[in-house]
Amino acid sequence: EAGVAQSPRYKIIEKRQSVAFWCNPISGHATLYWYQQILGQGPKLLIQFQNNGVVDDSQLPKDRFSAERLKGVDSTLKIQPAKLEDSAVYLCASSLMGTRGSPLHFGNGTRLTVT
Amino acid sequence: SQQGEEDPQALSIQEGENATMNCSYKTSINNLQWYRQNSGRGLVHLILIRSNEREKHSGRLRVTLDTSKKSSSLLITASRAADTASYFCATVLNNNAGNMLTFGGGTRLMVKP
Repeated sequence: EAGVAQSPRYKIIEKRQSVAFWCNPISGHATLYWYQQILGQGPKLLIQFQNNGVVDDSQLPKDRFSAERLKGVDSTLKIQPAKLEDSAVYLCASSLMGTRGSPLHFGNGTRLTVT
Repeated sequence: SQQGEEDPQALSIQEGENATMNCSYKTSINNLQWYRQNSGRGLVHLILIRSNEREKHSGRLRVTLDTSKKSSSLLITASRAADTASYFCATVLNNNAGNMLTFGGGTRLMVKP
């Protein structure tokens, strides 16, 4: 099966600019996740979708971050405006059922550098 | 603070040796999962162990879970240079309605040929 696809692979922007990341999950996976991974740390969940509905966005900085999952398939994560501390790898993952029943499959991530 | 914390933060061993990584957590869990991350890549799922299970095996991997001590361990036997990676434990809480999967900070394993 094809894996989780993410683009772009790398992005460099200046602070206060905006940026968007795209994710295409594994076909048939109902649950989609966006994680932020700062260098040297474990991933931190930003938002979790079940089909096209939000299950958890408690750790999403909603003043600058937004995410959507149209038609319950692809998803985009946007940052506007970016801050220096947003420099990180943004990982998208999907699972068949959810964290209680099935493992997460991760994409290779988008490495964001904010200068 | 994070739910799961790995110990040690870094581990360096020779090829052929066994590697043991530990994970401690704070509150009651539904399940605990281990993932591997190679440099510059996404995470790869290794093993999922449920709260009512005590041990699981997958190839050269053995995971144990002690819910009384709120801890888990990952053992990699007969390590290879290709096992060099970061290893993360992640937990799903019992009382988390959203079923959030929370990761620890990871153990960086280096296996020298």
